[in-house]
Amino acid sequence: DTEVTQTPKHLVMGMTNKKSLKCEQHMGHRAMYWYKQKAKKPPELMFVYSYEKLSINESVPSRFSPECPNSSLLNLHLHALQPEDSALYLCASSPRSSGVQETQYFGPGTRLLVL
Amino acid sequence: AQKVTQAQTEISVVEKEDVTLDCVYETRDTTYYLFWYKQPPSGELVFLIRRNSFDEQNEISGRYSWNFQKSTSSFNFTITASQVVDSAVYFCALSEGGYNFNKFYFGSGTKLNVKP
Repeated sequence: DTEVTQTPKHLVMGMTNKKSLKCEQHMGHRAMYWYKQKAKKPPELMFVYSYEKLSINESVPSRFSPECPNSSLLNLHLHALQPEDSALYLCASSPRSSGVQETQYFGPGTRLLVL
Repeated sequence: AQKVTQAQTEISVVEKEDVTLDCVYETRDTTYYLFWYKQPPSGELVFLIRRNSFDEQNEISGRYSWNFQKSTSSFNFTITASQVVDSAVYFCALSEGGYNFNKFYFGSGTKLNVKP
């Protein structure tokens, strides 16, 4: 089973709102990722968690705040977003075998609209 | 410089035609992995294949086949007898070794339209 789930599927928020995106996997994977994808563009890496620790932050603005409460869950807290942050947010996970490039398995994404 | 180039922005074919999606990559690493993902309109990226730099064997999976050529730094994807359900955006990705081994470099994607 290679399933990564994401909630909500769609989210509309104002620029002063605080919201969170949630991602869950039960494959025993120890690396989890957040990507942002604008229309007609490839996914852009935002954050990587490895063994529940933040290992990569691709210079993402602080209005995006990731959290990994346990090995199965990954959250992305959103605060004071801008309209240009509207995008598809994808979560992914991979087994995290040390030093080996691994397949990342993606969730269905959350389509975010910031008004 | 772009590490993965997918020169075909959009391709349209009629059902049952064969179609090849091109992927050219650039890396100085000797150990690297290449991937293909499919993204249907629903948004989820679906994993299709992973290939390491030491395995140049071509692979066939049903109607899908992949041609990996290190000499030309290419990893092309062919769909035989295309179907409407193949309509999607296809991404090629590269993963290198070293500290950022789990960082993917995606190509810009090729949108495939298969018409009935």
